[in-house]
Amino acid sequence: GAVVSQHPSWVICKSGTSVKIECRSLDFQATTMFWYRQFPKQSLMLMATSNEGSKATYEQGVEKDKFLINHASLTLSTLTVTSAHPEDSSFYICSAAGVSGQAGVYGYTFGSGTRLTVV
Amino acid sequence: TQLLEQSPQFLSIQEGENLTVYCNSSSVFSSLQWYRQEPGEGPVLLVTVVTGGEVKKLKRLTFQFGDARKDSSLHITAAQPGDTGLYLCAGGDFGNEKLTFGTGTRLTIIP
Repeated sequence: GAVVSQHPSWVICKSGTSVKIECRSLDFQATTMFWYRQFPKQSLMLMATSNEGSKATYEQGVEKDKFLINHASLTLSTLTVTSAHPEDSSFYICSAAGVSGQAGVYGYTFGSGTRLTVV
Repeated sequence: TQLLEQSPQFLSIQEGENLTVYCNSSSVFSSLQWYRQEPGEGPVLLVTVVTGGEVKKLKRLTFQFGDARKDSSLHITAAQPGDTGLYLCAGGDFGNEKLTFGTGTRLTIIP
């Protein structure tokens, strides 16, 4: 089945530094990638949608200058949290959408998430 | 803004019991997906339903999409400890690829 690799799985950084999270679709081409944020005991909240080679579309209330998204290829998207602060601590999850498998079914595959802790 | 409310928010039952989780909205969705998420992991797709009134079975799990495509339910028969997790419904949007996630149901099965 479709696999999405997300790295790192966890990261601790100092306040004011930047952190980059990578999301790779390993066996299919992702036409669209999504980035979500999840607070403890809560559901997923969509932050932004990105298509390869174009600027990401951010959801209302998400600072595009703080959460930089790059989708340079059909298999790789990155989320950079710039000048991170403790309130940015959260669980970040990517999702890749595309056609995969022998049956050629369109679907969504999620990465395993990145736990970011800003101290 | 599309909202998907799940109920109950928390559910703790004994092994062997049956349960139903509901996912309701005032909006119409192109499709409805159900995911299970373990702590520290990403959600894993259980099923996708696309037709109003559709019923899908996955072993002990039965999923139904409402006739009006605004709601869905997940029924688990003879729950097992391995069913423990956060269950999320997600609605597909017409015209784009965005998913709207439900508020989540945290299920605990007690051995």
